[in-house]
Amino acid sequence: DAGVIQSPRHEVTEMGQEVTLRCKPISGHNSLFWYRQTMMRGLELLIYFNNNVPIDDSGMPEDRFSAKMPNASFSTLKIQPSEPRDSAVYFCASSFDWGSGNTIYFGEGSWLTVV
Amino acid sequence: RKEVEQDPGPFNVPEGATVAFNCTYSNSASQSFFWYRQDCRKEPKLLMSVYSSGNEDGRFTAQLNRASQYISLLIRDSKLSDSATYLCVVNRDTGRRALTFGSGTRLQVQP
Repeated sequence: DAGVIQSPRHEVTEMGQEVTLRCKPISGHNSLFWYRQTMMRGLELLIYFNNNVPIDDSGMPEDRFSAKMPNASFSTLKIQPSEPRDSAVYFCASSFDWGSGNTIYFGEGSWLTVV
Repeated sequence: RKEVEQDPGPFNVPEGATVAFNCTYSNSASQSFFWYRQDCRKEPKLLMSVYSSGNEDGRFTAQLNRASQYISLLIRDSKLSDSATYLCVVNRDTGRRALTFGSGTRLQVQP
């Protein structure tokens, strides 16, 4: 079975440009998470959706970040405008009924470099 | 204080050694606990869940101490392939937050 699929795997962009990261969760999973990982701050939860509805976006750094989940099989994380401090690995993860203690499964990540 | 704290290491151990990691969490309402493993430049993957009674999976043993609010991971007979970063993960089932990850403990098993 396919796991969580993320694209692009790697992106280098210039400061000020718009960046869109994409995620396809595991089929049947109803929770989707966006995490960001840096050496300094580790893995941070940005936002999570349950049944396509954003439940907690308190981790979204600022208004430059936005996330959508238009349907059960697709989500985007957008940064506009991007800044060098946004450089990080962005992981998408999904789970089925995570509140029951079920595990979450990560995609391979999108490696973003903003220059 | 961080919600989940781990010693970053690195722990450098020889093959065959036994090594233990601890992790402390600050929120007594935390309900579920996990250990994830992350290889260099890879995504985190579930290693094992941590149950109140403690649990074992082959060479790996996880323990939970609710009174002191820590969890532990013991690895016996270390293999070279165990070299990775081990992430302590806590889930508050109440409220709106999802999994909270520790910063990880790096293990390097040497031949």
